Amino acid sequence: SQKIEQNSEALNIQEGKTATLTCNYTNYSPAYLQWYRQDPGRGPVFLLLIRENEKEKRKERLKVTFDTTLKQSLFHITASQPADSATYLCALNNAGNMLTFGGGTRLMVKP
Amino acid sequence: DVKVTQSSRYLVKRTGEKVFLECVQDMDHENMFWYRQDPGLGLRLIYFSYDVKMKEKGDIPEGYSVSREKKERFSLILESASTNQTSMYLCASSYGGQPETQYFGPGTRLLVL
Repeated sequence: SQKIEQNSEALNIQEGKTATLTCNYTNYSPAYLQWYRQDPGRGPVFLLLIRENEKEKRKERLKVTFDTTLKQSLFHITASQPADSATYLCALNNAGNMLTFGGGTRLMVKP
Repeated sequence: DVKVTQSSRYLVKRTGEKVFLECVQDMDHENMFWYRQDPGLGLRLIYFSYDVKMKEKGDIPEGYSVSREKKERFSLILESASTNQTSMYLCASSYGGQPETQYFGPGTRLLVL
């Protein structure tokens, strides 16, 4: 069956360090993968998209990698700040170009 | 900036009531979606619409219906609310091309007593 897995346990890191979040998937062949940020009580907000033929994408302090062989995407936040604390969701397109979302990983950046 | 608004942030209803959740987007997007989000279960697609008066079932349509009479507005209807429909409801829209990037509303937290 199709599955998107993100670490359901919260990731706690110290301010200034790099946070790395993982998204693994099985039985999908996505053309692209996206990362969203969700703050408590709010809707997700789109952050970055990476296509299947791209290995890496950057936007300011954010970096996403996409390994279609490993069926994995890594999401990095460098020089993390307490304001980066949120839940981060990965999403990929399935048949029919609908998005399917992972369960999200909560990131806590401590000052 | 794309703006997606939802009619209520919080709603409390009684079992058996008919509940309407409304969503409006201001970017002329073709596609609109309704999700529910529950702890440990993530975002689950209830219904989506790719055009006015068109609707498609998502993964969990049972107990829900939708209406899209105008392009900018997508309504979710709970015909007879039940306690297991207590959840966070999120509306989203997208322009309909590829890739599919979705823009979400702030969510409605519904409590059914």
